[in-house]
This record gives sequence, structure tokens and C-alpha cells, in this order.
Amino acid sequence: EAGVTQFPSHSVIEKGQTVTLRCDPISGHDNLYWYRRVMGKEIKFLLHFVKESKQDESGMPNNRFLAERTGGTYSTLKVQPAELEDSGVYFCASSPYRTGPTGETQYFGPGTRLLVL
Amino acid sequence: AQTVTQSQPEMSVQEAETVTLSCTYDTSESDYYLFWYKQPPSRQMILVIRQEAYKQQNATENRFSVNFQKAAKSFSLKISDSQLGDAAMYFCAYRSASGGSEKLVFGKGTKLTVNP
Repeated sequence: EAGVTQFPSHSVIEKGQTVTLRCDPISGHDNLYWYRRVMGKEIKFLLHFVKESKQDESGMPNNRFLAERTGGTYSTLKVQPAELEDSGVYFCASSPYRTGPTGETQYFGPGTRLLVL
Repeated sequence: AQTVTQSQPEMSVQEAETVTLSCTYDTSESDYYLFWYKQPPSRQMILVIRQEAYKQQNATENRFSVNFQKAAKSFSLKISDSQLGDAAMYFCAYRSASGGSEKLVFGKGTKLTVNP
């Protein structure tokens, strides 16, 4: 079974440019999460999809970040325009859908390393 | 809001020895889940072990075990018979079981080095 995949693995862009990150969850996983780790700090939650719906987007830092999950399969996270402080590692995770608070394990992708110059 | 603290930025252990990584958390909730994730160099993060707060028995997975002290809000990870492949960043994480957010709240991580 293929794991969570993310593309690209690395991205270097200049301030003001746009970058789009992609995440393909494990097949059949309805839950999809985005997290970010800024250098030296904690991994922080960004948002959570259940299928194509945004369940929780409380961690999105500002309106320069736009996440989509059309069709409930893969997801994209677009940063426009990118700022220096957006540099970090962006992780995607997925889990099966279960009703109720099951504490279902979240399976992580390898991350996308974003550097904004 | 919940917070997770890992007070050891780096730890080292000799191969075959035992090491304990510390994690404390702060929450007002009574029901939650705790996790230890491992991220080897240039590889993706994988779950090492998980603990349900309502369970008094400490979770174990082969050479990995936890010491869960609910009253003290402590959740340490013990690695026995350390192997070179255990070298990685280890992250402690918390997740509410209240049915609201499913997000994981992470600590800053502990970098574990295993010396041959």
C-alpha cells in the first residue's frame, strides 16, 4: 500500500512568488491534514479536511494560504504571495474516517521543504 | 490551549543501552491521546507508540515503552537495547478526545543520536 506522498520534495522561491504544494493521501483515507514546521519550532497544525470539506482551518496563518481538496482525493496548499516567514517544512498526513473521537493514527508524508528567499 | 514540552533538544545513547526521552503536556481535558512519532534523517515521520489517557496501563511496542503519569501530565518514552536505526528526531504529540478538533499538538522534538 502506498503511503502519503508529497510533491515537490523541495522548493526554493523568491519572496512574492507563488508556490503550490501537493499531497496525495493513502487511498481510502477521508481525513487529510496539513502541518508546518518552521525551523527550530514545533510542528504546527494548519488545517483538516474530511473528504472535500474543511473540518478545521483554525491553524491557517493568514489569507495568503489557500488549501483545496477537490473531489476528496489529493490536496493542494497554495501560498500566494510567499513571505520569508513561510519557509519551513510542510507536512501532510492522512487517516481513515471514523465516527467519534477514536484517536486514529495519522500517517505522515515526507514533507515539502520550502525556502523563501 | 494544550501545549507539549520536550525539554531535551538532543540526547545520545550507546548502542544496546537504554534511553528515556521526556515529554510533559498541559491540558484541562480528562480524555485525550498521546503519541510518540519518530522521524529518521531524510525520511518520513512514523508512529512509534500511542497511549489512551483513560488506560492506566503503559503502552509498549517491542523495545519501546512509555511511562504515562496522568496526574503529573508526563509521557516519557523509553527505548531499550538501542539500535543504530533508532537515531532520529522524536516528537511527542497530544490529541484531544473531546470530539472537537482532531489536530495533533507537537513538542519541539528531541534529536536522538545512537553511538556505536
